[in-house]
Amino acid sequence: KNEVEQSPQNLTAQEGEFITINCSYSVGISALHWLQQHPGGGIVSLFMLSSGKKKHGRLIATINIQEKHSSLHITASHPRDSAVYICAVVTGTASKLTFGTGTRLQVTL
Amino acid sequence: KAGVTQTPRYLIKTRGQQVTLSCSPISGHRSVSWYQQTPGQGLQFLFEYFSETQRNKGNFPGRFSGRQFSNSRSEMNVSTLELGDSALYLCASSPASGGINTGELFFGEGSRLTVL
Repeated sequence: KNEVEQSPQNLTAQEGEFITINCSYSVGISALHWLQQHPGGGIVSLFMLSSGKKKHGRLIATINIQEKHSSLHITASHPRDSAVYICAVVTGTASKLTFGTGTRLQVTL
Repeated sequence: KAGVTQTPRYLIKTRGQQVTLSCSPISGHRSVSWYQQTPGQGLQFLFEYFSETQRNKGNFPGRFSGRQFSNSRSEMNVSTLELGDSALYLCASSPASGGINTGELFFGEGSRLTVL
């Protein structure tokens, strides 16, 4: 079992829909990152969380440390949101990043 | 402000050779971390440097090494290349002294290595 599990693996939505991507992890963490990767490889950092909730534009990220779970929400989705969304957790006393396998999102008109 | 710059962007090597990749962080960022991305294994953490010291390391063999210079530029080296080392190598810099632990990560476009 992977330390970091994301669901769903693939997601197709129509423009305007509310989208939720989930990330569960099995170890204690000090921080969690949400990343976005577009075709071609470029990666953009969306959020870094250690507790609570953060909002940036149409994106909202939450984390529940006790339940070892984080969610990324996209409100009013748009085709330009089509990308792979990756969560990564920081673990260990000698901190290292462990990545989920990603959620591929396709938003259609 | 210039972003994170990685060179070279593409390179082809043969088995047994070695390769050196370079990463110039955003001005003022002192944390640089390196990652390997392959279709089979996804993204994997290689190591993180801060103020010329390796602070954290992932689970990679000793063939993978790195260093950071006083101007925060970083290099990673892979010796005795294997076919399985073919991958996209990404680096990221962070403005926070805590690096991956506390700061936003700014990624470069990556260096795509093909090993024949």
